[in-house]
Amino acid sequence: DADVTQTPRNRITKTGKRIMLECSQTKGHDRMYWYRQDPGLGLRLIYYSFDVKDINKGEISDGYSVSRQAQAKFSLSLESAIPNQTALYFCATSDPVNEQFFGPGTRLTVL
Amino acid sequence: AQSVSQHNHHVILSEAASLELGCNYSYGGTVNLFWYVQYPGQHLQLLLKYFSGDPLVKGIKGFEAEFIKSKFSFNLRKPSVQWSDTAEYFCAVGSGNTGKLIFGQGTTLQVKP
Repeated sequence: DADVTQTPRNRITKTGKRIMLECSQTKGHDRMYWYRQDPGLGLRLIYYSFDVKDINKGEISDGYSVSRQAQAKFSLSLESAIPNQTALYFCATSDPVNEQFFGPGTRLTVL
Repeated sequence: AQSVSQHNHHVILSEAASLELGCNYSYGGTVNLFWYVQYPGQHLQLLLKYFSGDPLVKGIKGFEAEFIKSKFSFNLRKPSVQWSDTAEYFCAVGSGNTGKLIFGQGTTLQVKP
């Protein structure tokens, strides 16, 4: 079984809709991250969490929110989706020396 | 602000050619360095990492990278590429205790058979 799972894997939605992307991990790591990947821009950090009570904004948090429901679960929400949020979204966990382990990604299209 | 720069955005090679992908970062303190690979349609996987010690590190699938502190560089190399190395490659830098990685823009490698 995969160590980091994401649901859904693909999603098409309309402008203004609320979307939640979910991430679960079985690695037992405290640290979890959400990134978005856009062509030519690499991965950009949206939010990160070092434990259940610690949530931090990344470089591009506007328009997104997160919830850390448990050590193993970290959800990303788009409260009102817009077309420029169309991207590939990755969840990751890391060990204390920053090696990160990635989920399979969610391809989100906002029409 | 910290940044990571990958100089080559798109590289096309023939099989058996040698590969070197450049990565430079801007951060003056202690860093952990990583190269990740993303095969078409897949998630990022770790190729290799450097934390300390020998600046020449070897990773999976014949890849290696050299950390040159004076040049703030961590270039990825492979002596002879294969068609299966076609992928996107990302350099990433983690600094101190921030718990975050900064990623470069990525380099798309296309290997022609």
